[in-house]
Amino acid sequence: DIVMTQSPDSLSVSLGERATINCKSSQSILYSSYNKNYLAWYQQKPGQSPKLLIYWASTRESGVPDRFSGSGSGTDFTLTISSLQAEDVAVYYCQQYYSTPRITFGPGTKVDIK
Amino acid sequence: QVQLVESGGGVVQPGRSLRLSCEASGFTFRSYGMHWVRQAPGKGLEWVAVTAHDGSNKHYADSVRGRFTISRDNSKNILYLQMNSLTTEDTAVYYCAKVFEAYGAGGWYFDLWGRGTLVTVSS
Repeated sequence: DIVMTQSPDSLSVSLGERATINCKSSQSILYSSYNKNYLAWYQQKPGQSPKLLIYWASTRESGVPDRFSGSGSGTDFTLTISSLQAEDVAVYYCQQYYSTPRITFGPGTKVDIK
Repeated sequence: QVQLVESGGGVVQPGRSLRLSCEASGFTFRSYGMHWVRQAPGKGLEWVAVTAHDGSNKHYADSVRGRFTISRDNSKNILYLQMNSLTTEDTAVYYCAKVFEAYGAGGWYFDLWGRGTLVTVSS
């Protein structure tokens, strides 16, 4: 299985500041024929189910604020929150869907307010 | 509105069985592959199983293969997860999730999740 790791485990960011979360896959999840990275990002607020933020590594889901952006390729990916808002306190997960059916999630990164 | 609503969770003894349901509304259920994903208390997300839009293909995580069965009734817009031989390791919130694109196009990422149903396996 492709193993997903995330760093840091948690981070505290001041309101209005940038938050950066890293995700690394144990092998490339870039499908060269389509030039697509098979990576998604989710946000899970306390007591809620996950919410899709980003897919294909950098495509923002409809309705997701543009302060959320995804980047990276191959094995290294980043989710950036450009200006942290109070409502962004959550755990963020990356997920690879390259190796279907064996899709895997990262362990999560907890973001809170400094 | 567009939603998924899980039910059927509860407390069950090790070795027993439980069937979860996920009722879909607000979208054309029969057009989409559907998954179960679980989350143990305080832990991360673990993919469990998938069924194709028409039920023709099913896949399972190694941790549940041979014990869990995913199925769907497209006439009722309901997804099921039959769980047998439960162990304490199966204790988790179980979410059903819909893939983004219809008919297996695109990737297995999930644009709609239910609120989950808690399964507790304990003696």
